[in-house]
Amino acid sequence: DTEVTQTPKHLVMGMTNKKSLKCEQHMGHRAMYWYKQKAKKPPELMFVYSYEKLSINESVPSRFSPECPNSSLLNLHLHALQPEDSALYLCASSPDRGQEVRVEQYFGPGTRLTVT
Amino acid sequence: KQEVTQIPAALSVPEGENLVLNCSFTDSAIYNLQWFRQDPGKGLTSLLLIQSSQREQTSGRLNASLDKSSGRSTLYIAASQPGDSATYLCAVFLAYGQNFVFGPGTRLSVLP
Repeated sequence: DTEVTQTPKHLVMGMTNKKSLKCEQHMGHRAMYWYKQKAKKPPELMFVYSYEKLSINESVPSRFSPECPNSSLLNLHLHALQPEDSALYLCASSPDRGQEVRVEQYFGPGTRLTVT
Repeated sequence: KQEVTQIPAALSVPEGENLVLNCSFTDSAIYNLQWFRQDPGKGLTSLLLIQSSQREQTSGRLNASLDKSSGRSTLYIAASQPGDSATYLCAVFLAYGQNFVFGPGTRLSVLP
């Protein structure tokens, strides 16, 4: 199973709402990533978890709050977002470099987020 | 800081042509390089992964090469088909840390 799943596929939320994005993988990967992608741009790294610990936070505003409850799950909690936060949010996983040599990244299908 | 560029930004070719996409990176301290394909509004699909110690990898009609010392990788697509139309992104996994740096992508259109 080389699949990364993300829910929901689409999300529309107001600026005062609280919502969460969910990501799951069962490949035994110990590194998981959140990216934000705007139209016709490459993915921008937001957060990296390594062995369930936050290892990279690319200066993301506090209205985005990541959580890694276990080695298979990654959540992104959203609160008080702005319209400019509308984007495709991608989750990915890979082996941690300490696990094996072949560190290949696998992506989920993404959540299309619209903030109104 | 690692920077990744891709040339050309967009490419339109007739079906059946062989084509080359280019990826350049500024810091040769990479662990590996990965090529992805992305269809509009979708996630990224991994095409090929080249370890830093390797020179090339092949999968079907795709061949990717890596010259780490000069900071370059190429993706060769043989006998292009309309179904190859997509954005192609390269990403380097840094030799330190646990993050990937992406290039801006090449938008490919293969015309029937």
